[in-house]
Amino acid sequence: DADVTQTPRNRITKTGKRIMLECSQTKGHDRMYWYRQDPGLGLRLIYYSFDVKDINKGEISDGYSVSRQAQAKFSLSLESAIPNQTALYFCATGTYNEQFFGPGTRLTVL
Amino acid sequence: GQQVMQIPQYQHVQEGEDFTTYCNSSTTLSNIQWYKQRPGGHPVFLIQLVKSGEVKKQKRLTFQFGEAKKNSSLHITATQTTDVGTYFCVRSGTNAGKSTFGDGTTLTVKP
Repeated sequence: DADVTQTPRNRITKTGKRIMLECSQTKGHDRMYWYRQDPGLGLRLIYYSFDVKDINKGEISDGYSVSRQAQAKFSLSLESAIPNQTALYFCATGTYNEQFFGPGTRLTVL
Repeated sequence: GQQVMQIPQYQHVQEGEDFTTYCNSSTTLSNIQWYKQRPGGHPVFLIQLVKSGEVKKQKRLTFQFGEAKKNSSLHITATQTTDVGTYFCVRSGTNAGKSTFGDGTTLTVKP
């Protein structure tokens, strides 16, 4: 949905580089999420946030960090990218009952 | 961790045939959500089931939640090419923070 935007949409980087993926939402929800998707697999939760002062680790947080700059913005950082972090990354926002996903960022780490 | 298992992983059908995907959990679910992801797209919410034995319909799609709230199914009647995609069941954590996706069932429909 255009209500959730992610930048960049595609990124190729090298091992050891720092990468930031950004997410913005206009739906007005407090909850925001970062997921990664690998081929043939479901989405795995990296981090989630229930409001600006709240950050929680998800299932696979190692190697990642996040920043909730505002209600509408939630960024994901890879401090030192490695090849097995090559994946499709989705940001989402929503309520207890429903999540709205961004279009995804395809990240390749060489 | 608390997982949801989905079967089958892949399903190929002829247009007009029916399709069912199943979602199973070893623990009781507070609710189950279903999402559809078109090829090259992002997951899109379809429905949430909350009550034991609940059945909900959306046109040709029928969603069921088991009596014990440990399993769920999505049935599509008379598939169309627009049904192509991957269907995920998702369990919410106690506070919906730790949503857990199943690995999905990828449906292909042959015209």
